[in-house]
Amino acid sequence: GAGVSQSPSNKVTEKGKDVELRCDPISGHTALYWYRQSLGQGLEFLIYFQGNSAPDKSGLPSDRFSAERTGGSVSTLTIQRTQQEDSAVYLCASSARTGVSYEQYFGPGTRLTVT
Amino acid sequence: DQQVKQNSPSLSVQEGRISILNCDYTNSMFDYFLWYKKYPAEGPTFLISISSIKDKNEDGRFTVFLNKSAKHLSLHIVPSQPGDSAVYFCAASEAGNQFYFGTGTSLTVIP
Repeated sequence: GAGVSQSPSNKVTEKGKDVELRCDPISGHTALYWYRQSLGQGLEFLIYFQGNSAPDKSGLPSDRFSAERTGGSVSTLTIQRTQQEDSAVYLCASSARTGVSYEQYFGPGTRLTVT
Repeated sequence: DQQVKQNSPSLSVQEGRISILNCDYTNSMFDYFLWYKKYPAEGPTFLISISSIKDKNEDGRFTVFLNKSAKHLSLHIVPSQPGDSAVYFCAASEAGNQFYFGTGTSLTVIP
């Protein structure tokens, strides 16, 4: 079956430009997470959507970052006025959150390079 | 501040021997823990999980141990195989909401 997909797989942008990263979660998964992994670092939590609840935005590093999830499915992470320190792999994950299982399924990531 | 720590950035093990990957956490409210494996240029893939009501969970060659008093978990792989070579991340959560990941341990299994 289809897993989590992300697009684009690679994005090179100039400093100061806006970028949009897309995530298509597994159908029926109610939870969606965005993370980023900078070079040599672990996964850094950015934002979490669960059903119709207000998203947990506590991990967003600045107000240049925002995300939305339309219709409880596709999500878009937007970074405005990109900076070089935004360069990282951005990973999306979804989860069915059934019972006590919180297993997350990850997409392949979007590698963002800000020049 | 890092709530989940993997203090060994790398580990090398001979094929057939046991690999032990360690993870420490600081938040006593964490009640769900997962291990992920990541190959280069791919997203992490789920390996095994454990909830705080257990102290051990086994799945084939993979066993996760949880020591709540020490706030420590470990992943045992036995016997280790060359295909196990990857970066392993542990993650922790309170009630399955925000997940905190460690920085990963790169495992190399030597044939």
